[in-house]
Amino acid sequence: NAGVTQTPKFQVLKTGQSMTLQCAQDMNHEYMSWYRQDPGMGLRLIHYSVGAGITDQGEVPNGYNVSRSTTEDFPLRLLSAAPSQTSVYFCASSRNRPTYEQYFGPGTRLTVT
Amino acid sequence: SQQGEEDPQALSIQEGENATMNCSYKTSINNLQWYRQNSGRGLVHLILIRSNEREKHSGRLRVTLDTSKKSSSLLITASRAADTASYFCAFVTGGSQGNLIFGKGTKLSVKP
Repeated sequence: NAGVTQTPKFQVLKTGQSMTLQCAQDMNHEYMSWYRQDPGMGLRLIHYSVGAGITDQGEVPNGYNVSRSTTEDFPLRLLSAAPSQTSVYFCASSRNRPTYEQYFGPGTRLTVT
Repeated sequence: SQQGEEDPQALSIQEGENATMNCSYKTSINNLQWYRQNSGRGLVHLILIRSNEREKHSGRLRVTLDTSKKSSSLLITASRAADTASYFCAFVTGGSQGNLIFGKGTKLSVKP
């Protein structure tokens, strides 16, 4: 099993550009989530999904969209990048809501100039 | 904010010593988990303790949970240089819609 994979590893965007961060898991997990990690802030939940076709907002959803058309994939879209979105982004999955352990991807380091 | 608080923010010890990290939270929880993050990597799950449990062990790790004080601690015994990492607590509350809320982490440095 590859576990949770994320692409790209690094990305530099100009303000106003859009892009999609990819996330995939091969463990048939129902629950998937996106976090951002900023220095001194821990991880904050952006969006999450409890199954294909179902998504919901987390703590910091503004400026991001998600969709979940399949169990495996959960892409995160930045609509119009802003310097405040400079961060490290992690995708995670778990068998169900985090009653169980979450498996994390390796992260995407995004810089918006 | 429901975010957990961890203490200390940073901890530096010698190999062979024990390391203790603490996590406090503000509302009642369903479960509490501890994760490790090596520099530049994703988080790795270490241990999960449920609200009706008081102590749990996994290898050199011991986690305690005191729901009356709304706090948890992670003890790493006989630390090794390879334990150098950031450690995060995360918990599920009744108000978090089943989602994990993370603390800000403790950065542990174990010197050989």
